[in-house]
Amino acid sequence: AQTVTQSQPEMSVQEAETVTLSCTYDTSESNYYLFWYKQPPSRQMILVIRQEAYKQQNATENRFSVNFQKAAKSFSLKISDSQLGDTAMYFCAFMNNFNKFYFGSGTKLNVKP
Amino acid sequence: GAGVSQSPRYKVAKRGQDVALRCDPISGHVSLFWYQQALGQGPEFLTYFQNEAQLDKSGLPSDRFFAERPEGSVSTLKIQRTQQEDSAVYLCASSLSARGASGNTIYFGEGSWLTVV
Repeated sequence: AQTVTQSQPEMSVQEAETVTLSCTYDTSESNYYLFWYKQPPSRQMILVIRQEAYKQQNATENRFSVNFQKAAKSFSLKISDSQLGDTAMYFCAFMNNFNKFYFGSGTKLNVKP
Repeated sequence: GAGVSQSPRYKVAKRGQDVALRCDPISGHVSLFWYQQALGQGPEFLTYFQNEAQLDKSGLPSDRFFAERPEGSVSTLKIQRTQQEDSAVYLCASSLSARGASGNTIYFGEGSWLTVV
């Protein structure tokens, strides 16, 4: 079975600073995908960034980047130059070959002015 | 439509009442998923459709939960005899490709908020 663990229920960061959200997962599969989703109060899940497990290079998307450590089964999200609009719940997710998502319990990020 | 549309957005049901939640996926999307998100938790998988076929219903918590997608487009999640523990946000998601086409983008709706009183 796949499990995804986010050990930080809540984090705060000052506007313009950098913050890192942690995620670990457990799987016996060799081919999978990892995602970070942002969920504002509207509850819509918005894709932030994704990483293919077979790629060694860490994914980046503008101010968002990941640190993917496959052997350690770790997938952290770094947000640079934090903006007020980044305030939201962030979910780490694992997807297997059958497009089935497993989500962590989420980290609530507060960006302070 | 441009995105995944869900209705109703908010539903308050009395315990024991039946409810039906509707999902309009993006036009042409083959795969459709339902997830349940309880307060303070991440979404949990309920069921998966490939076109009209329900290929995986392993996440449905009890036989009070039933989902259908008769024509391979719109899907309905039905909950019979609702209980307080059914209170959650029900998220629908769709993707263009069929299961097994790993990595294709999955789009989520805004969810249906169900409160059972």
